[in-house]
Amino acid sequence: NAGVTQTPKFQVLKTGQSMTLQCAQDMNHEYMSWYRQDPGMGLRLIHYSVGAGITDQGEVPNGYNVSRSTTEDFPLRLLSAAPSQTSVYFCASSSRTVGTNEKLFFGSGTQLSVL
Amino acid sequence: DQQVKQNSPSLSVQEGRISILNCDYTNSMFDYFLWYKKYPAEGPTFLISISSIKDKNEDGRFTVFLNKSAKHLSLHIVPSQPGDSAVYFCADNTDKLIFGTGTRLQVFP
Repeated sequence: NAGVTQTPKFQVLKTGQSMTLQCAQDMNHEYMSWYRQDPGMGLRLIHYSVGAGITDQGEVPNGYNVSRSTTEDFPLRLLSAAPSQTSVYFCASSSRTVGTNEKLFFGSGTQLSVL
Repeated sequence: DQQVKQNSPSLSVQEGRISILNCDYTNSMFDYFLWYKKYPAEGPTFLISISSIKDKNEDGRFTVFLNKSAKHLSLHIVPSQPGDSAVYFCADNTDKLIFGTGTRLQVFP
């Protein structure tokens, strides 16, 4: 059982380039989300989805797009990369969403550098 | 406004002693708080949770205490072990799963 798989693990972009961070889970989880981790800032929620076809903004959504066409996949798109988007990105999923003690399962992260 | 604050960025504890990690929240109504542990180059993993109807939840060496009047919760690790060295995040799952800034725990021999 692979759990939550993120690709790539490392990526270097130039300012203005676009790219997609991939996230897939094989646990049939309805809820998926993206976080970024920055020094001193903890984990900040970018976007989340409570099921296929449904997405919503988190704490820091600007500069990122998401879509959820299938239960398994939740890609994160950077439209025009900026140095401020240099960060470690984590995808996570769970079987239920808010107001519960249902734990999130995290991927191993994507380290992104924007030059 | 849903906010979670961990005011201590780091903590150093000797092996065998107690580690106490603290977390403050702003939400007046919440359902669950969760604690996650993160090692370098890995994703966070779930550690323990507590619901709003409890004051305490225990799982082995890990205990979380909730003080609703002070909007404060704490994670106790007894006894601390070198393998506990990691970054610990508390998270509020009332509306969205919002994390604090984390506390880096170092357990030394």
